[in-house]
Amino acid sequence: DTGVSQDPRHKITKRGQNVTFRCDPISEHNRLYWYRQTLGQGPEFLTYFQNEAQLEKSRLLSDRFSAERPKGSFSTLEIQRTEQGDSAMYLCASSPGTGGRNEQFFGPGTRLTVL
Amino acid sequence: GQNIDQPTEMTATEGAIVQINCTYQTSGFNGLFWYQQHAGEAPTFLSYNVLDGLEEKGRFSSFLSRSKGYSYLLLKELQMKDSASYLCAVKIGSTLGRLYFGRGTQLTVWP
Repeated sequence: DTGVSQDPRHKITKRGQNVTFRCDPISEHNRLYWYRQTLGQGPEFLTYFQNEAQLEKSRLLSDRFSAERPKGSFSTLEIQRTEQGDSAMYLCASSPGTGGRNEQFFGPGTRLTVL
Repeated sequence: GQNIDQPTEMTATEGAIVQINCTYQTSGFNGLFWYQQHAGEAPTFLSYNVLDGLEEKGRFSSFLSRSKGYSYLLLKELQMKDSASYLCAVKIGSTLGRLYFGRGTQLTVWP
């Protein structure tokens, strides 16, 4: 399968715990995005990487959130001291970075439930 | 800020045509996407418009009017499998930019 993959698909944790999600983009894509989606809403942008450089961060990304893409390939999103309001679907997307359309391809998401 | 508005829900019957509207107020508009999202799944790309006019792609077409800040997605010959959420998303600024999504329109197709 050559699509975007995410791991785990589901995560249940207790409030206050730390969680880490992984995203593997399409191999030739140098741009990687993280979004968060809650029920009945569209995805909300969190952050974006071009290769290993984190170029943009949303105000939604509080200091409890950190994202990395150390070698310009896979990316991790860590949430520290989780809160119930962090419960959401976390979506990763990648794009080739060339051409005007620059379509983003989404992974299946990680559904986080904070108890 | 960016504002993207689309209806919350729509219903239609199998074989019919449905039009899902999206209006936007943004700065630095640089293209509009439509994505389809089935429950619990990732959004999948349907169409892209950056210039005014109609883009046709099989049963799906998308229209854009930049001067009016308006787009629609037209679905023809509806099938049950078309029941999904349809997301309008606007790209801002450079081609490197993020997407701003509307909240999605939940379409239910009845037999």
